[in-house]
Amino acid sequence: DSGVTQTPKHLITATGQRVTLRCSPRSGDLSVYWYQQSLDQGLQFLIQYYNGEERAKGNILERFSAQQFPDLHSELNLSSLELGDSALYFCASSVLAGGPSEQYFGPGTRLTVT
Amino acid sequence: GDSVTQMEGPVTLSEEAFLTINCTYTATGYPSLFWYVQYPGEGLQLLLKATKADDKGSNKGFEATYRKETTSFHLEKGSVQVSDSAVYFCALSVGGYQKVTFGIGTKLQVIP
Repeated sequence: DSGVTQTPKHLITATGQRVTLRCSPRSGDLSVYWYQQSLDQGLQFLIQYYNGEERAKGNILERFSAQQFPDLHSELNLSSLELGDSALYFCASSVLAGGPSEQYFGPGTRLTVT
Repeated sequence: GDSVTQMEGPVTLSEEAFLTINCTYTATGYPSLFWYVQYPGEGLQLLLKATKADDKGSNKGFEATYRKETTSFHLEKGSVQVSDSAVYFCALSVGGYQKVTFGIGTKLQVIP
């Protein structure tokens, strides 16, 4: 158990809909990262937050947005969903914003868009 | 930009065989290098890391040496077990914000 929790574990929804994925980092970790894992694209970094502020952006679509709240939990919002958005979404956390600190991954949310 | 190249799997080995999974990288700065492992149905977890040239990361019998001259970080294990069956990701991180670039992952299957 990494200490990172993600909810829900599974999500099935229809095209065009909007969903919110939630992540609680390990106690004491200030950085949260979101990744998308799909069969054809592998593991893609989406976005990073540190102590409530956006710090780095990867291959995140404009239809997707995220935020980190004062209690450090984070939410990833996916809107106007398409079939291609079906994937595993991982959240990870680490202590620092910089340096080679280890990232701890949650168990993931499996999103299926039908 | 930064990138990580690792061999595509699946790699199938018999128990107690020697394992090598190749990983090479390109980076705009001076990266830290990682191997993560993903067991079936789980998230990724850090297996080992190295932060500077010639460092050797090791954990659970796995080893990888940071080779700056060949921009490589190959993962090795002398004797694999069935329980090592998983997907292995090579990754790098450059700079202050911990953005990690992952390779595509190599699936390892160890058969008894």
